[in-house]
Amino acid sequence: GESVGLHLPTLSVQEGDNSIINCAYSNSASDYFIWYKQESGKGPQFIIDIRSNMDKRQGQRVTVLLNKTVKHLSLQIAATQPGDSAVYFCAEKDSSYKLIFGSGTRLLVRP
Amino acid sequence: NAGVMQNPRHLVRRRGQEARLRCSPMKGHSHVYWYRQLPEEGLKFMVYLQKENIIDESGMPKERFSAEFPKEGPSILRIQQVVRGDSAAYFCASYSTGDYEQYFGPGTRLTVT
Repeated sequence: GESVGLHLPTLSVQEGDNSIINCAYSNSASDYFIWYKQESGKGPQFIIDIRSNMDKRQGQRVTVLLNKTVKHLSLQIAATQPGDSAVYFCAEKDSSYKLIFGSGTRLLVRP
Repeated sequence: NAGVMQNPRHLVRRRGQEARLRCSPMKGHSHVYWYRQLPEEGLKFMVYLQKENIIDESGMPKERFSAEFPKEGPSILRIQQVVRGDSAAYFCASYSTGDYEQYFGPGTRLTVT
């Protein structure tokens, strides 16, 4: 289940289950959103993106859903694997192309 | 095709010293962003540069911090007279005009003792 730890909220899932990571964004004028995966000691790695004129986009094992009405973004990972364990950040892009990152969620995959 | 490169990967400085962080963007990219990440937090925008120009430095502290991206060579983030609160991971990202995606480097972890 999902819990709030001392710092990053943590989602613990069983290997093979589906994971859903949620994110609330701040700027209703943002028109581009990205999910990043960050493993320990590494830089953020692009997973999937979505533009504001879409509400769903699918990749390989991942789906991003965008609800502009409530400014909510979610990342769904199908058949979660141990290699999916990492911290996941959503980011929104404003008119200057700078990224505004959310606070992140740690995903732990139990074998 | 090499990705974004940053060096050094780890940097230790004593309080009051200067820190210089380097970022070489992907080949063909002329836009660089610098972000700072504190432990257990998301990345925070610092500065956006194009070759020889600072476009947006709204996220950079007014004192002690400076950035440049010269016509030749890597982008440099310079922190003068470092303090313990500067300890963080510093990431740069590059992108090419017309491509929304920013590509991140592996980061420089700065520790101020």
